[in-house]
Amino acid sequence: AQSVTQLGSHVSVSEGALVLLRCNYSSSVPPYLFWYVQYPNQGLQLLLKYTTGATLVKGINGFEAEFKKSETSFHLTKPSAHMSDAAEYFCAVRGTGGADGLTFGKGTHLIIQP
Amino acid sequence: DSGVTQTPKHLITATGQRVTLRCSPRSGDLSVYWYQQSLDQGLQFLIQYYNGEERAKGNILERFSAQQFPDLHSELNLSSLELGDSALYFCASSALTGNTGELFFGEGSRLTVL
Repeated sequence: AQSVTQLGSHVSVSEGALVLLRCNYSSSVPPYLFWYVQYPNQGLQLLLKYTTGATLVKGINGFEAEFKKSETSFHLTKPSAHMSDAAEYFCAVRGTGGADGLTFGKGTHLIIQP
Repeated sequence: DSGVTQTPKHLITATGQRVTLRCSPRSGDLSVYWYQQSLDQGLQFLIQYYNGEERAKGNILERFSAQQFPDLHSELNLSSLELGDSALYFCASSALTGNTGELFFGEGSRLTVL
């Protein structure tokens, strides 16, 4: 079964600083990996996804993530944090076989300090 | 706007009662997923339907049931409600044919059991 682990339930960065949110996955097959963002009182919005091909994936709002098979990681980064980036971020891996939904990590709450 | 519609947005009820949450998937999406989000459990997959048939089951309690109708909308029924059922319930949809596993989420139904 697939699973993801997000390191750090809360991450605090200063406005303008690098954002790094960590995600490690466990999968017996080549995974499809996703990052979603949830703003307060809203649903989940897709930031980016990795399926096949280029391992550096660019998403919306200036975020990107790199798939590293050797490290089983899919960390999310953004060069310069904005106050509007404050939200909950979820890493997810797609299931296989009969279930093709997503398995989510526990989420990382990103706090932006002015 | 993801195209997934959930009603009601908020629901307050008492223990022992029964409620029904409704979801309309994106136009053309055949697959519907239900997730429960709570502070202690995070995002938990409940159940998936594809074109009217149950496809996968996750951590869904026996007191909960779901169905998908011919017009592809889905309902999640929660009965004999307990305080611990208070949570945000998300519906998501996807198109299975040629898909890369991305789910589109509604804004959720917030259930409060008093």
